[in-house]
Amino acid sequence: GIQVEQSPPDLILQEGANSTLRCNFSDSVNNLQWFHQNPWGQLINLFYIPSGTKQNGRLSATTVATERYSLLYISSSQTTDSGVYFCAVPPRQGAQKLVFGQGTRLTINP
Amino acid sequence: DTEVTQTPKHLVMGMTNKKSLKCEQHMGHRAMYWYKQKAKKPPELMFVYSYEKLSINESVPSRFSPECPNSSLLNLHLHALQPEDSALYLCASSQALRGRRQPQHFGDGTRLSIL
Repeated sequence: GIQVEQSPPDLILQEGANSTLRCNFSDSVNNLQWFHQNPWGQLINLFYIPSGTKQNGRLSATTVATERYSLLYISSSQTTDSGVYFCAVPPRQGAQKLVFGQGTRLTINP
Repeated sequence: DTEVTQTPKHLVMGMTNKKSLKCEQHMGHRAMYWYKQKAKKPPELMFVYSYEKLSINESVPSRFSPECPNSSLLNLHLHALQPEDSALYLCASSQALRGRRQPQHFGDGTRLSIL
């Protein structure tokens, strides 16, 4: 089945820093989502980005489907950005399920 | 995503109890999902309902019984659970356009503890 790898597994930064999180996937996809899971367990939808670039405030994401990776950029980090960031893709085109990467745990210190 | 509502938020039950988790959405989505998430692990799919019919069962033990009584509601009935079933249970929904997959929106989850 499709493999989803995220890097780095852990990231500790000071407030105000910028960061780039990476998601590699082993097969072609037509659907990719980025999620933020906060310390209370809420899984928040950040981007639905099968290809191209999207921006939402301090966050932006780019997916290069032909090269099988996606990047999540966080600028001017805040402590509320702490949590685990997951990317998720379907195991094959058209599949209903999502396969999640292992996540990047981000800690923003004040 | 707060448009998918899950109740209860926390549940503690014994191994002989019967309980149900509930999920509700009013976005007109016709696909609904149950995921299980263990601590420090990503969510894993359990079941998918499409147009109120079970379309995917990821070989989940029969002590978990899903039900979709209408297009807005999804239940997960629990019976004779084991301590290893303690986890965060997440419900999600999405549009169900044939041939095109739509983003999934998640509820806040039910944190389940089995004594």
